[in-house]
Amino acid sequence: QITLKESGPTLVKPTQTLTLTCSFSGFSLSTRGVGVGWIRQPPVKALEWLGIIYWDDDKRYSPSLKSRLTITKDTSKNQVVLIMTNMDPVDSGTYYCAHRVGLAVFDYWGQGTLVTVSS
Amino acid sequence: QSALTQPASVSGSPGQSITISCTGTSSDVGGYNHVSWYQQRPGEAPKLMIYEVSDRPSGVSSRFSGSTSGNTASLTISGLQAEDEADYYCSSYSSSSTLVFGGGTKLTVL
Repeated sequence: QITLKESGPTLVKPTQTLTLTCSFSGFSLSTRGVGVGWIRQPPVKALEWLGIIYWDDDKRYSPSLKSRLTITKDTSKNQVVLIMTNMDPVDSGTYYCAHRVGLAVFDYWGQGTLVTVSS
Repeated sequence: QSALTQPASVSGSPGQSITISCTGTSSDVGGYNHVSWYQQRPGEAPKLMIYEVSDRPSGVSSRFSGSTSGNTASLTISGLQAEDEADYYCSSYSSSSTLVFGGGTKLTVL
């Protein structure tokens, strides 16, 4: 059974760096073809793809956010970390991590974690 | 990389069929057979309903179907039920190995 859970601060100040951790079970990020993605959703708005990390440590980022994002993995801990720099109030929202199967398909999602950016 | 275009809202009565469109470009929807659809109920994480344009994950009702034509993908829900009321998002693989979501469609069951 695949499960994922996001964790991290609920409140960050503008210009600060956000670090979120996705802890997962039921699969290994060292298995060929596996990936974990990050998706966010501002309040009452649409989903936005942020990026993904693959089993071979290949990473892809949203072109519009690429300069601010870093995704890393710790295979031994079954964790993926999202780092987003220079946070702004418009970055407030729910951040999800999800298990990738096949190209552009997320079949299991975490419950999401709400991040508010405010001074 | 712009978001895929979906109608903001659609509605239908129980038992009817509705179709939600998702328009992109030749760099995403029209260029790859890698379109997915997600259902999201209030306060919940998205749920995969359709992948690879028209495939259904195990456990998803056969009332849900997907298709594409050119740069537009479509999700059709037949035999509409009250429980189908939710937001629906399309997503597509895109150039440079990235992914893009649609703006979302709110489905109301009248």
